Amino acid sequence: EAQVTQNPRYLITVTGKKLTVTCSQNMNHEYMSWYRQDPGLGLRQIYYSMNVEVTDKGDVPEGYKVSRKEKRNFPLILESPSPNQTSLYFCASSARDGVNTDTQYFGPGTRLTVL
Amino acid sequence: GQQLNQSPQSMFIQEGEDVSMNCTSSSIFNTWLWYKQEPGEGPVLLIALYKAGELTSNGRLTAQFGITRKDSFLNISASIPSDVGIYFCAGQLVTGTASKLTFGTGTRLQVTL
Repeated sequence: EAQVTQNPRYLITVTGKKLTVTCSQNMNHEYMSWYRQDPGLGLRQIYYSMNVEVTDKGDVPEGYKVSRKEKRNFPLILESPSPNQTSLYFCASSARDGVNTDTQYFGPGTRLTVL
Repeated sequence: GQQLNQSPQSMFIQEGEDVSMNCTSSSIFNTWLWYKQEPGEGPVLLIALYKAGELTSNGRLTAQFGITRKDSFLNISASIPSDVGIYFCAGQLVTGTASKLTFGTGTRLQVTL
């Protein structure tokens, strides 16, 4: 079954304690991205990756890092989380044919609370 | 980043009614997308629009890519209870090796019997 998985689904942590949210897809997609969803603001792109070792900032990258060492994985790293990073996070992946973007598959979401 | 204005923010309608929502942008996009999100899940793509002026249907859903490339609308005809959810528009701008997706703030749809 084609899917995007995220772990953990729920996380409560404290300010300054480094954490990683993993994202994995089994569809051999080149394109992966991370979003955060906040009430009244919709989904905002944090980082995206066009392929292995190719990453770029989205609209709200401050406080986040990503890496793309393998095609299937795209972890989101918060080196020093702060309360304003409390949010619902989504990972997404899609193929890309160079002209149109194929369907973007979203993961189930990770609800993060930073105390 | 780019801003997408999506309206209305929420709608309460009766089953069987038609629904219309739209998005406008201050700048152009290559692609307009419409997603639906249900509680506890990620957004699911409903319709993708790739050319200015394009009108596309998917069952009871119809969406159009505005001629100016700065707007799009989504219509749902004869709404049913399972249409409940949050609908998001998204504009995609592809330039060279960069591809950015900007989402609207969402329209929350409630359908009453």
